[in-house]
Amino acid sequence: AAGVIQSPRHLIKEKRETATLKCYPIPRHDTVYWYQQGPGQDPQFLISFYEKMQSDKGSIPDRFSAQQFSDYHSELNMSSLELGDSALYFCASSLGQGEPQHFGDGTRLSIL
Amino acid sequence: AQSVAQPEDQVNVAEGNPLTVKCTYSVSGNPYLFWYVQYPNRGLQFLLKYITGDNLVKGSYGFEAEFNKSQTSFHLKKPSALVSDSALYFCAVSRNSGGGADGLTFGKGTHLIIQP
Repeated sequence: AAGVIQSPRHLIKEKRETATLKCYPIPRHDTVYWYQQGPGQDPQFLISFYEKMQSDKGSIPDRFSAQQFSDYHSELNMSSLELGDSALYFCASSLGQGEPQHFGDGTRLSIL
Repeated sequence: AQSVAQPEDQVNVAEGNPLTVKCTYSVSGNPYLFWYVQYPNRGLQFLLKYITGDNLVKGSYGFEAEFNKSQTSFHLKKPSALVSDSALYFCAVSRNSGGGADGLTFGKGTHLIIQP
C-alpha cells in the first residue's frame, strides 16, 4: 500500500540558512500534519491542513511556514535556521478528523 | 489543554508473557485516543484508536487497549509478547481544536523490551 512520502530524507544546513521539506500524502488523504521530534523526545505538533486550508496550529515557530497545494502535497518552509532546529520532521496524512494519522519516515534535519 | 502521561520510561517483559504499557490522559470533552509504535529512525506506525463505543479496542499485531473513563486511562495490552514487539510506544490524544484536522499530543513514550 502507498505510504506518506517525505523528501529529502536527510538535509544538512548551516545556521541562518533556509530549508524546504516536502510531503506527499497517501492518495485520497486530504489532511496533512507536520511534527517535529527532537532526539529522545516525543513528537511535537507543528501545523495541519485540511483541504488546502490551515486547520490547527501547534508550536510552530514564526520562522516556519507551511502550505498545502492543489494536489494535496505539503511543504514546510524553514528560515533563519538555528542549531535547535536539528530534529526529525515528520509529515502525516489522514482521511480526516478522528481517523488515524499515517506517518512518513521523516526528514532528518541537521544544522551545523 | 490536553496532556498525556506515560509513567514508565521502560517496560521489560519476558517473551510469551502478557504486557501492559500504561497511559493516562487529560482532555476537555470526549477524547480521541491513539497508540503508535516507533522503530529506530522510522516514522510512527498506527496501532489502534478509541473514539467511542466498546471500551476494549483491538488493533494491529495482536495489541489491544482498554479505555477507562473514570480513571482517564488507555493502557495498551497484549496477551503474549514477542521479541519483535520491542520498540518505543507512544500514547496520544487528539487536540480537539474543532478545526477538523487536529494535531496529536503525545506522551513521552515507553520503551518496551521483550526478553527472549
